[in-house]
Amino acid sequence: QKEVEQDPGPLSVPEGAIVSLNCTYSNSAFQYFMWYRQYSRKGPELLMYTYSSGNKEDGRFTAQVDKSSKYISLFIRDSQPSDSATYLCVAGYSSASKIIFGSGTRLSIRP
Amino acid sequence: EAGVTQFPSHSVIEKGQTVTLRCDPISGHDNLYWYRRVMGKEIKFLLHFVKESKQDESGMPNNRFLAERTGGTYSTLKVQPAELEDSGVYFCASSHDSLAGNEQYFGPGTRLTVT
Repeated sequence: QKEVEQDPGPLSVPEGAIVSLNCTYSNSAFQYFMWYRQYSRKGPELLMYTYSSGNKEDGRFTAQVDKSSKYISLFIRDSQPSDSATYLCVAGYSSASKIIFGSGTRLSIRP
Repeated sequence: EAGVTQFPSHSVIEKGQTVTLRCDPISGHDNLYWYRRVMGKEIKFLLHFVKESKQDESGMPNNRFLAERTGGTYSTLKVQPAELEDSGVYFCASSHDSLAGNEQYFGPGTRLTVT
């Protein structure tokens, strides 16, 4: 079983729509949860970061973590074509620096 | 500020040959990580340097892989001899702190193809 599971997509939505990306994880030891965004032929870049359970909002992006259900979400409001990328759900431990990636969800925003 | 750079961007070698990948972290970042993504799989951790010391090498697949970071600046990852299953994209990342949850800055990756 993968430690972080994501639906690989692809997911295609029209510009302006609200996008919901989700993943689940299996390891209760994870304390840090992140969303990285990766454009084609580029390296991942940190988009959102959450410690333990809770919500975090940054502009059009909202990240949610529910540790009781081991469920992680990313919401994108007023989606733009520039949001088209692969979104990687990532988890980390409190005792180590290495991070564990999901397989990523490919998102396409149609103009 | 220059980001993490990796060289080469793409390498095609034959099975049994040797390849060396290079990573230059962001200046001042003591922490350097190697990850790789093989076809159809998720990005997986290989190892973590703090300066020139290997902090965690639990993700290294086997002894055909050798990572070094002499002087605590750039790092190399050597694969010798390369096998077909080594094909994939190798990412390097760096961070200022080694605290859990710290932001890691990734390079663009080296795409390795073993034929």
